Amino acid sequence: NAGVTQTPKFRVLKTGQSMTLLCAQDMNHEYMYWYRQDPGMGLRLIHYSVGEGTTAKGEVPDGYNVSRLKKQNFLLGLESAAPSQTSVYFCASSYPGGYGYTFGSGTRLTVV
Amino acid sequence: SQQGEEDPQALSIQEGENATMNCSYKTSINNLQWYRQNSGRGLVHLILIRSNEREKHSGRLRVTLDTSKKSSSLLITASRAADTASYFCATTPLETSGSRLTFGEGTQLTVNP
Repeated sequence: NAGVTQTPKFRVLKTGQSMTLLCAQDMNHEYMYWYRQDPGMGLRLIHYSVGEGTTAKGEVPDGYNVSRLKKQNFLLGLESAAPSQTSVYFCASSYPGGYGYTFGSGTRLTVV
Repeated sequence: SQQGEEDPQALSIQEGENATMNCSYKTSINNLQWYRQNSGRGLVHLILIRSNEREKHSGRLRVTLDTSKKSSSLLITASRAADTASYFCATTPLETSGSRLTFGEGTQLTVNP
């Protein structure tokens, strides 16, 4: 059972570069999410999606864009990376109501 | 701002002792969940308690929920060194669409052998 798979697991970017983080889930979950976790803190929601073709802003959306073209995939894009975006990024998926929440193993991103 | 706040921020106990962590939140919730995170790893779901439930058990875990006080506690009984991790509570607020989880900052539990 793969669950939620994130790629890549590690990445170093230079300031101003762009990249896309990929999240894939095989549990047929309707809802998908991108969170970031900074040192010593809990997770904060960046963007989320309640279904294919839909996206919405979370708590800290600035500097990020997302797309949900297929139900099983949720992409997080950084158009122009900044050092403040150095963080660990977690993707998750769930059923409506917050049940069955499953997290990926995370992507550690460093922006220099 | 964080919806949930865990207390204490750090807890150090001896193997075999019980560990209690508390969580407070601000808004009405649909459910509250507890997660464990080992250093440098992802989050592992431990237990979910619905807003109409007061107590729930899973193995060595016991979770209570007091919606009148907007608080929850996680009790780990007979702790083991392998329980060393950060523990987070997370809530799904009633008024939030998309079942977003709002996390606290976590409790770092250290269980000494």
